[in-house]
Amino acid sequence: QVQLVQSGAEVKKPGASVKVSCKASGYSLTSHYMHWVRQAPGQGLEWMGIINPGDGTTNYPQKFQGRVTMTTDTSASTVYMELSSLRSEDTAIYYCARSYAIKRPLDSWGQGTLVTVSS
Amino acid sequence: QSVLTQPPSASGTPGQRVTISCSGSSSNIGSNIVNWYQQLPGTAPKPLIYNNNQRPSGVPDRFSGSKSGTSASLAISGLQSEDEADYYCAAWDDSLNNPVFGGGTKLTVL
Repeated sequence: QVQLVQSGAEVKKPGASVKVSCKASGYSLTSHYMHWVRQAPGQGLEWMGIINPGDGTTNYPQKFQGRVTMTTDTSASTVYMELSSLRSEDTAIYYCARSYAIKRPLDSWGQGTLVTVSS
Repeated sequence: QSVLTQPPSASGTPGQRVTISCSGSSSNIGSNIVNWYQQLPGTAPKPLIYNNNQRPSGVPDRFSGSKSGTSASLAISGLQSEDEADYYCAAWDDSLNNPVFGGGTKLTVL
């Protein structure tokens, strides 16, 4: 069955970067887009961007442009999300989630990765 | 502030029917499909309703979705204690060129 397994929790200092991985199994990574969505403590869901693992093209909302980078390693069936210049407001659970096409529903989600930014 | 507007909370007693609303605009709900996600405490969101009113396999038919104009609704009939969760609506926004979410509704089963 489809599974998205994310890397473990991270604790980072302000100004540092974090790289979260999302390993896909049960389907071909290049057949679906991969989104990243985050959830701050007690808050709602916030979309961070999308990558097409087939050709590496990305789309980031203005809020994260210049700070987020999404990449793919197709040989490892893994997608990565790197967020730089971390600040305390970036403390959140980060989820990867796939969709069949750009406007389609997010039909499978990773378990989430808690990133804590603290001095 | 979320682009889609949901009530922050809803409640009902076991067996009751509850509805959760989701209000948007012409650039999102008005021109794209609406999807709903259920987030049980301490877990990742899970697809609940897609394409406005379709249920993924395994989702009980107690859950139903509808859309009219720039608003959508999620209805849960025969409320059960395990339905206590946060519910999020979502839709693509053509102006922002990205998906947008509602702020979430916390459902309490009394």
